[in-house]
Amino acid sequence: DAGVIQSPRHEVTEMGQEVTLRCKPISGHDYLFWYRQTMMRGLELLIYFNNNVPIDDSGMPEDRFSAKMPNASFSTLKIQPSEPRDSAVYFCASSSGQNNQPQHFGDGTRLSIL
Amino acid sequence: KQEVTQIPAALSVPEGENLVLNCSFTDSAIYNLQWFRQDPGKGLTSLLLIQSSQREQTSGRLNASLDKSSGRSTLYIAASQPGDSATYLCAVKSHGQNFVFGPGTRLSVLP
Repeated sequence: DAGVIQSPRHEVTEMGQEVTLRCKPISGHDYLFWYRQTMMRGLELLIYFNNNVPIDDSGMPEDRFSAKMPNASFSTLKIQPSEPRDSAVYFCASSSGQNNQPQHFGDGTRLSIL
Repeated sequence: KQEVTQIPAALSVPEGENLVLNCSFTDSAIYNLQWFRQDPGKGLTSLLLIQSSQREQTSGRLNASLDKSSGRSTLYIAASQPGDSATYLCAVKSHGQNFVFGPGTRLSVLP
C-alpha cells in the first residue's frame, strides 16, 4: 500500500493568500484526521472525518480554516486568508476504525506564510 | 481534559544500551495508547498500540507497558542502535476525546 499521501510537501506563500493542502488516505480506511504540529504547541488535532463526514472540528483554530472530504479517497484543508502564525507542519492521518486501530500518518506539508 | 507528558524531553545514550522512555497521562479512562516515532522532516510511524485491557505489547526490540491506574506507559528499547535515533511520541485515546499527543522525547543513540 502507498500509505497516506499528502501534497504539496512544502508550501511558501505570502500572508493573505489562500492555501490548500491535500490528502489521500489509505484505501479502505474510514477515518481521516488533520493535525498541525508546531514547536510551541506540539501536535494538535484540527478535525477528523468518519466515512467522509466531519465528526469533530473543535480543534480548527478559526473560521479561516476549513476542511472537506468529497469522497473516501481525498480530503482538503484550506486556509483563507493565511497568516504568518499559520506556519506549521500539517499532517493527515487515516485509520480503519477509531478505537482499536493505529493511525497511519502522511509525511506532512511544511507550510510557511511570509 | 486529558493531558499527556513525556519525560525526559531529550536523551542521549551510547549504542547498545537499554533505555526506557516515559509517558504520563492525567485521565485513566482511556481506550488505548499508541507509541510513535518521528524522524526529522517525516510523519509519524506507529510503533505499538496498547488497548486499555492490555498490560503490554512487544515488537522486536520494543516493549511498551501500560498501567492505567497510575496513568503511565513506558517504552523499553533493548540494545539501542544509531538507527533508533528519532523523536518518540505517545498518544492517548480517551473516552469522548480523540488522540492527545505528548510533546515527545528526542532520542540520540551515539555510535
